[in-house]
Amino acid sequence: GAGVSQSPSNKVTEKGKDVELRCDPISGHTALYWYRQSLGQGLEFLIYFQGNSAPDKSGLPSDRFSAERTGGSVSTLTIQRTQQEDSAVYLCASSLRANNEQFFGPGTRLTVL
Amino acid sequence: GDSVTQMEGPVTLSEEAFLTINCTYTATGYPSLFWYVQYPGEGLQLLLKATKADDKGSNKGFEATYRKETTSFHLEKGSVQVSDSAVYFCALSVNSGTYKYIFGTGTRLKVLA
Repeated sequence: GAGVSQSPSNKVTEKGKDVELRCDPISGHTALYWYRQSLGQGLEFLIYFQGNSAPDKSGLPSDRFSAERTGGSVSTLTIQRTQQEDSAVYLCASSLRANNEQFFGPGTRLTVL
Repeated sequence: GDSVTQMEGPVTLSEEAFLTINCTYTATGYPSLFWYVQYPGEGLQLLLKATKADDKGSNKGFEATYRKETTSFHLEKGSVQVSDSAVYFCALSVNSGTYKYIFGTGTRLKVLA
């Protein structure tokens, strides 16, 4: 079956603009994660959705970042008033259940000019 | 808080050399431990995992043993190949209210022919 997909694959935007990044998890996976990978850095946890529970937003770096997951499937990460330091690869992963293997999407490379 | 520390790279080895990438962790609960690999131009994928003390995860000639007494999960391979060149991430997941994954910063491995 299809893996985790993300769109767009690349996004170039101007400082101050809002961007939306989309993640389509593997069908049936209840857990969904967003991470940020900056050049030369590891994966920074952003947010975690598990089923219908309230998401764990503890990794969001500022109130400019938000995410939602509609119908327990597709997720959108929104960054408002983008800053140059937001430039990174944003990765989405899903897993069948919490604590299971994560399957990663190819990522969205965001460049803020 | 929970954390993962792995050796800094890059690590450069000749083909058929022995590989060790060190990983240690701190966790308030009883974590599951993972190694993920990111090949050039590809997304992250699970390499191996271990869910309890003394478990040995193995895949593609790589091994790692969950050592609770030393809080370590070192990755080893007896004879590396050029195709093993990639970035390797150590990670843990632990139930601290939510199953948040914590990733190390990654270790880049380059294997020379």
